[in-house]
Amino acid sequence: QTVVTQEPSFSVSPGGTITLTCGLSSGSVSTNYYPSWYQQTPGQAPRTLIYNTNTRSSGVPDRFSGSILGNKAALTITGAQADDESDYYCVLYMGSGIWLFGGGTKLTVL
Amino acid sequence: EVQLVESGGGLIQPGGSLRLSCAASGFTVSSNYMSWVRQAPGKGLEWVSVIYRGGGTYYADSVKGRFTISRDNSKNTLYLQMNSLRAEDTAVYYCARGPYSGSGSALYYFDYWGQGTLVTVSS
Repeated sequence: QTVVTQEPSFSVSPGGTITLTCGLSSGSVSTNYYPSWYQQTPGQAPRTLIYNTNTRSSGVPDRFSGSILGNKAALTITGAQADDESDYYCVLYMGSGIWLFGGGTKLTVL
Repeated sequence: EVQLVESGGGLIQPGGSLRLSCAASGFTVSSNYMSWVRQAPGKGLEWVSVIYRGGGTYYADSVKGRFTISRDNSKNTLYLQMNSLRAEDTAVYYCARGPYSGSGSALYYFDYWGQGTLVTVSS
C-alpha cells in the first residue's frame, strides 16, 4: 500500500522561508507523478496553488514555488505571511486513473 | 465564472444509500474530468473517484464496489451514488474539476473546487 508522506507540522517566522515536502513510502517522486499542491484553511474548500510540479495556479503569488528536491516534490514559501498559516496538501497522480493525497502539513506562522 | 455547488449530504444510517450532486456553471462538465474528494472530520483530504471526458471512471479502493460516479450532461451535473455506507464514510465531500490541455491531455490536477457537502453515517 503506497502512502504519500508529508511533514505533519511545520512552523515558520513571518518573512521566513520554508520548504514542505511530498514523498512516497516506496520510491521517488518525479514529474511523472504530476505533483500538485493545495492550501486549505479550516472550514474552507482547498485552494489550488501549484500543479505539474512547478506551475503556479492563476492568482497565486510568486512567493509560492514548486520543485522536485531529491526524491520528493517540494513546496517553498518565500517570505511567509500570517495568512499563509494553513494546511497544505500535495497530491500525486499514480497512474491508471488514481490519485493519492498526502496527509497534509499544518503550517504555523509565528 | 466557474462554480461548483454540491448538495445531497445529510445524516444516513449505516448500510444506507445517498446520492450527492454537484451542479456546475461557467463550464461544461463533460469537457473536463471531474472528481470527488472527501475529508473526514479533523482529517486530511482523500481522493474518492474520477470520471474522464470520455466517460472512463476510477475509484479509490476504499469505495470501489460501493460508490458510483456519473454525470448528466443535459443538467451539467456530476453525481456520486453512495451505497452500503459505513461510519468511516463520514466526511465533507467536495467535487473538483480537472482540466485538459489545449492538445487534449489531462493535466492531472484539480483547478476548481466546490464548498462541499457533509455526509454523516451514524445510527
